[in-house]
Amino acid sequence: DAGITQSPRHKVTETGTPVTLRCHQTENHRYMYWYRQDPGHGLRLIHYSYGVKDTDKGEVSDGYSVSRSKTEDFLLTLESATSSQTSVYFCAINPTFSGANVLTFGAGSRLTVL
Amino acid sequence: DQQVKQNSPSLSVQEGRISILNCDYTNSMFDYFLWYKKYPAEGPTFLISISSIKDKNEDGRFTVFLNKSAKHLSLHIVPSQPGDSAVYFCAASAGRYGGSQGNLIFGKGTKLSVKP
Repeated sequence: DAGITQSPRHKVTETGTPVTLRCHQTENHRYMYWYRQDPGHGLRLIHYSYGVKDTDKGEVSDGYSVSRSKTEDFLLTLESATSSQTSVYFCAINPTFSGANVLTFGAGSRLTVL
Repeated sequence: DQQVKQNSPSLSVQEGRISILNCDYTNSMFDYFLWYKKYPAEGPTFLISISSIKDKNEDGRFTVFLNKSAKHLSLHIVPSQPGDSAVYFCAASAGRYGGSQGNLIFGKGTKLSVKP
């Protein structure tokens, strides 16, 4: 999986609870991304990071925050989970940031909010 | 507003025949287009890409065609195999001059089923 590990892989939680998803990379890439995948919507960008402590919002950032205190870790936090945040979350890295920008994705974290 | 559109949610073909997956886009700043393949419970994996200055790129059984004037691209798989059954996502990159931060914009995906 190109050195990307997502944890947890599966989580069931209740509405209103905080949730943190972790993305860990072993390849020291600068750019990292969080996407969510939902039926009928494809993959949509939540947040991205272009370095330690450098992050910015994507298309669907409401209700989410991120942090990157180390190059290798990019955390996605749902401060108060809602049922609309039930989704599969994918972390990605950009090994080249040039040309076609071929992103490499992790295996995903399936989150269910009851 | 969707910048990358895949209007066919599903496609079914017979093994050995050609699969054609279509994608339309609206943003003229896109400089690369990519196809990803996704199996259930796995992350998307890169399949093939094409630069906006090309009209065709081929890699084994996979060929992508780009019609820039129509803002349309297609992925051809010949011959199709049962193992090709997956969801295929079309994606586009705007490049640095288009304001991209290296991210990709994805279509909704097309589920391909190849029947033996």
